[in-house]
Parts: sequence; C-alpha cells; structure tokens
Amino acid sequence: GESVGLHLPTLSVQEGDNSIINCAYSNSASDYFIWYKQESGKGPQFIIDIRSNMDKRQGQRVTVLLNKTVKHLSLQIAATQPGDSAVYFCAENKGGADGLTFGKGTHLIIQP
Amino acid sequence: NAGVTQTPKFQVLKTGQSMTLQCAQDMNHEYMSWYRQDPGMGLRLIHYSVGAGITDQGEVPNGYNVSRSTTEDFPLRLLSAAPSQTSVYFCASSYSYRVNTEAFFGQGTRLTVV
Repeated sequence: GESVGLHLPTLSVQEGDNSIINCAYSNSASDYFIWYKQESGKGPQFIIDIRSNMDKRQGQRVTVLLNKTVKHLSLQIAATQPGDSAVYFCAENKGGADGLTFGKGTHLIIQP
Repeated sequence: NAGVTQTPKFQVLKTGQSMTLQCAQDMNHEYMSWYRQDPGMGLRLIHYSVGAGITDQGEVPNGYNVSRSTTEDFPLRLLSAAPSQTSVYFCASSYSYRVNTEAFFGQGTRLTVV
C-alpha cells in the first residue's frame, strides 16, 4: 500500500487565510521529503523540501514541518491567494534509486 | 532552458497499438524516471534510470519498456496498449539519486486507450 498518504482529499479555505495540508508517512528510513504543487493540466512543481535532520523549513509564504516521532509532515501556506488553488502532493525519498513515493494529493480550494 | 520536455501532450491509441512517449531534459541530470498518474492514486513509478545505459523497474513496469542511450533522452514504449494504460504520464529528472534534490517534471502526456 501507500507509504505516504494525506489526511484530507479536499481542503477549502477563504482567501487570505492560512492553509495547512497534512501528510503521514510510514517509512522511518525516509530521509528527504518534498512538497509539490500541481495545477490543472500541468506537471508537479517543486514548492519546498526538508531533510530528516530538520524539523522546520521556511520559504516564501510556505513552511514545512516534520515530526519524525509520529511520522507526520505538514505544509503551511500563509495568506492564501487564488493562485494557490491546486493539488498538493507530499513525496518521500527512502534514499534508494527507486525515486520518490507520492501521496494521493490534497485539492486546495480557495474561496473568495 | 527548457527543462523537461515531453511529447506528445495528448494521444489516443487503439487497443493493441504500440507507441513511444518521448522525454528529453537539458539539465545534464543523471537520474530520469517515468510516472503515471491516475485519479485517487497519486503518481506511481513505472521505470527509472540512474544514468545513460542503466534502467530499472519501478512499482508498475508491466506493459512498458524504456531505454537510456543518452543522458538527455528517456523514451517510454508501450508495447501493446491496453485500456488499463489510460492515464497521464509524467517524465521527471533530477541531478542524481545519490544526492537528495528535487525532481523536475515535464508537462505530461495524456494517453487514452480505446
């Protein structure tokens, strides 16, 4: 089964509010995690990454939190904008050559 | 800098036909991979390559072949198309599997098998 999953398939937030998208992973050997954004009809785009030796990493309007104790990853988007509407995927790298394992995705909907 | 380029963007095949999905990257990346994306299933790894001349199977390789004769190109071949292969296919590349870095994705090929 999926080693990476998401708690909610759809998240609806008001424009200007903060969004939190969650992800659970099951492989304790995973050492690298990435959040991707996928807009309709496009390929996934890198948002932010975090290594297993970190708990938090911040980018422009985005923050990723990693809780290795409970194998949980979250993406926080500050002051969401209409352009943030997309499907968000978390992905983990277990360190081998067989690439990233993706979760099923969360569809973020921004309400005006 | 084009990044990862996939062709075609759309394709309709009849059951039993064969075709090749093209993927090229201009970033001199060692690692390339193919994923398929189905509703509710996320992205699943089909095949990957850690460098020219080296390929290996991913999670869902049946019905697909790949080759990596150059660093730039990583074509995916459907040997005998089946309706179960209707999906959106993404090619991705990254610097090296030995270094944790992001994967860059192409725009995808939407394939329908009838």
